Amino acid sequence: NAGVIQTPRHKVTGKGQEATLWCEPISGHSAVFWYRQTIVQGLEFLTYFRNQAPIDDSGMPKERFSAQMPNQSHSTLKIQSTQPQDSAVYLCASSSGLGRSSYEQYFGPGTRLTVL
Amino acid sequence: GQQVKQSSPSLTVQEGGILILNCDYENDMFDYFAWYKKYPDNSPTLLISVRSNVDKREDGRFTVFLNKSGKHFSLHITASQPEDTAVYLCAAGASDNSKLIWGLGTSLVVNP
Repeated sequence: NAGVIQTPRHKVTGKGQEATLWCEPISGHSAVFWYRQTIVQGLEFLTYFRNQAPIDDSGMPKERFSAQMPNQSHSTLKIQSTQPQDSAVYLCASSSGLGRSSYEQYFGPGTRLTVL
Repeated sequence: GQQVKQSSPSLTVQEGGILILNCDYENDMFDYFAWYKKYPDNSPTLLISVRSNVDKREDGRFTVFLNKSGKHFSLHITASQPEDTAVYLCAAGASDNSKLIWGLGTSLVVNP
């Protein structure tokens, strides 16, 4: 089991450019979560999918941020017109969504986004 | 406001001691409580968790205690080791939603 895969591991963009982050959940996991991690805010929830359907996007900035899960094997987080304050580590996690293990989240290594 | 709060942003102890990390929560509907461990430049990994139908769970040197009436849960680490040095994140969830609500973390340093 390769665990949660995130690509790229590092991304540098100029202000105003677009950034697309990719996540491949653990095979068989039905829930996928996106988080943003900063020193000041800690681990901020952004959005999550269950069985590819968006369930809760209450943490997503309403402008410029969007997330999709076109199939069970990957999800994307897209940030349009990136700003320096978007610089953070973006973490993806997946969970089985079943029974007693439904809460246990397994994190990917993260994508460190730097907006210059 | 912060639904899950860790009262101590940092803690330093000597090797071999017992330490307690605390987490308070607000939502009565939470029924799952977890502690994750995070090394610098790494992602969080699950350390130990407990459901609301029990008030204690032990796994080796790590024990989580749950006080539902006080809306509080804690992580006890015995025989602390320098390798325990990390950030510890508490998290809680409600059964109607797989989403976890996270504390800001406690940075633990165990000195040899």
